[in-house]
Amino acid sequence: EVQLVQSGGALVQPGGSLRLSCTASGFTFSGYWMHWVRQVPGKGLVWVSAIKSDGGDTFYADSVKGRFTISRDNAKNTLSLQMNSLRADDTAVYYCTKDDWSGSFDNWGQGTLVTVSA
Amino acid sequence: EIVLTQSPDTLSLSPGERATLSCRASQSFCSNYLAWYQQRPGQAPRLLFYGVSNRASGIPDRFSGSRSGTDFTLTISRLEPEDFAVYYCQQHCQQSGSSPPSYTFGQGTRLEI
Repeated sequence: EVQLVQSGGALVQPGGSLRLSCTASGFTFSGYWMHWVRQVPGKGLVWVSAIKSDGGDTFYADSVKGRFTISRDNAKNTLSLQMNSLRADDTAVYYCTKDDWSGSFDNWGQGTLVTVSA
Repeated sequence: EIVLTQSPDTLSLSPGERATLSCRASQSFCSNYLAWYQQRPGQAPRLLFYGVSNRASGIPDRFSGSRSGTDFTLTISRLEPEDFAVYYCQQHCQQSGSSPPSYTFGQGTRLEI
């Protein structure tokens, strides 16, 4: 059974930093692209970032480019999102997701809430 | 940039009825890479369809996905109580081999009793 277990959500002040983690199991982690998707409570889904299976390429939404860094450790089956210079509009539930090789997201973590507020 | 527009925003139906949800893409490029998700309150989204009409694992056959040009449709033939949720369409696109991929969601359709 595929599992994506997330950790790291917290309340952080504007301008602060936070690191989200996602531990994968039940599939060959190193064989799949992984993504982060976020959702402001009560609003829609927004793609944030993607990383290729070998970690060699990363992609970001314009809204987070230069502030967020996605990374992975295929030896430890973990996906991370380092978030710097956080702003109030980064407040959201963040999901890690697995790509099914067609750009769809076939498995999702439980989500973790990031609140940016003074 | 591809824009996905879902309609209606809210659909009010009763159990046993047929639901038809729409998603229109602003471009025809990458139209084969369209997915649908269901999100129940307090839960993570769940993949229903990938590649327009390929049902994901464990999805009942009362759900179906189709396409006509840049118009995509999710149909639920006979609504069950657990089907009342929010539904999102999503498209993946890479315009060329050297361009970055894009991942776009529609704004969602709330299916309510």
